[in-house]
Amino acid sequence: RKEVEQDPGPFNVPEGATVAFNCTYSNSASQSFFWYRQDCRKEPKLLMSVYSSGNEDGRFTAQLNRASQYISLLIRDSKLSDSATYLCVAQPSTDKLIFGTGTRLQVFP
Amino acid sequence: DTAVSQTPKYLVTQMGNDKSIKCEQNLGHDTMYWYKQDSKKFLKIMFSYNNKELIINETVPNRFSPKSPDKAHLNLHINSLELGDSAVYFCASSLRGFYEQYFGPGTRLTVT
Repeated sequence: RKEVEQDPGPFNVPEGATVAFNCTYSNSASQSFFWYRQDCRKEPKLLMSVYSSGNEDGRFTAQLNRASQYISLLIRDSKLSDSATYLCVAQPSTDKLIFGTGTRLQVFP
Repeated sequence: DTAVSQTPKYLVTQMGNDKSIKCEQNLGHDTMYWYKQDSKKFLKIMFSYNNKELIINETVPNRFSPKSPDKAHLNLHINSLELGDSAVYFCASSLRGFYEQYFGPGTRLTVT
């Protein structure tokens, strides 16, 4: 079983749609969680950290459910520029990030 | 003013050769990492260094030898390159602890 599991997609959505990605992690000792975005042939870039209380950054909302070991990302009012691969990340120790294999999003006009 | 930089960006070489990749960060971080992203896009940690000291070595073949001359630099030397080493190698840095990591642009290594 992978340590961080995501639906690989692709999710094909029209501009303006709301889309949600889910992710589960297996190591209950994980203390920090993140969503990264990776564009084709580019490096992963931090999108947002995920806090237990849930957090929002503009059109993006992240949620964490520690009991179910589940993380989610909601994107509202999708833009063409949101097309990318979204990587769910758990941090089980101070020096190690565990990445999911990513969920690909394609927003079409 | 690039935060995490890597050189070279592309590396094409033959099996059996030895090559190095360099990484530098100007974020004032004390921890640096090497990751490998294979053809299936899976990103996996290889090494982690904190203040020049090796912290994590994730069962990487000993043909891979990282070196950190100071906390702003982390290089990766690969001996006797094999076809399976073809991948994108990312350097990253962070503060030590449960903090986000910042990635360099990657080095695309192709072994022929």
